[in-house]
Amino acid sequence: AQSVSQHNHHVILSEAASLELGCNYSYGGTVNLFWYVQYPGQHLQLLLKYFSGDPLVKGIKGFEAEFIKSKFSFNLRKPSVQWSDTAEYFCAVKSSWGKLQFGAGTQVVVTP
Amino acid sequence: DTEVTQTPKHLVMGMTNKKSLKCEQHMGHRAMYWYKQKAKKPPELMFVYSYEKLSINESVPSRFSPECPNSSLLNLHLHALQPEDSALYLCASSQVGREEKLFFGSGTQLSVL
Repeated sequence: AQSVSQHNHHVILSEAASLELGCNYSYGGTVNLFWYVQYPGQHLQLLLKYFSGDPLVKGIKGFEAEFIKSKFSFNLRKPSVQWSDTAEYFCAVKSSWGKLQFGAGTQVVVTP
Repeated sequence: DTEVTQTPKHLVMGMTNKKSLKCEQHMGHRAMYWYKQKAKKPPELMFVYSYEKLSINESVPSRFSPECPNSSLLNLHLHALQPEDSALYLCASSQVGREEKLFFGSGTQLSVL
């Protein structure tokens, strides 16, 4: 069965620090990969997605993610975070036949 | 208009009440979804409507009853809920077959007493 795992449940870091959130999935076929963000009190928003092509994907707000097929990973990165990046981040995977499946989420808190 | 609007934003109900959650979008999307999200957990798919027909029901208890009266509206009727049903209920929409581009509403925070 398809599954998605996010390595960290909580991350606390200071402004200007670099952020990397891990995401691994278990499905051997073709997948579409996503990162969603949920700011406090707001709805889920698509941050970036990967379908095919260049495995390094650029998203909104300076985020990027790298798809490493051999590691079944799709880690999210931002070189320098801001206080406004405080949010919950969800990795999601969709196989060619299955439904969109979310990881457990990582709560990121950026301190001033 | 790229919004999915959900009402009410908050709802408190007793276990014997009947209530409805409403969702509306005017993006021309013909796929609409209900997700349930417990605190500190990822969203879980409940129902999918495609062209106003129920296409996916993720074995949700019958105390949750979805309805899609037209291509812009999606309702979730609630009856005889349990306290463990307290959660954030999210509506989303997309073009059919384009689940990767979901537009989410802000959700209804439901508390069952």
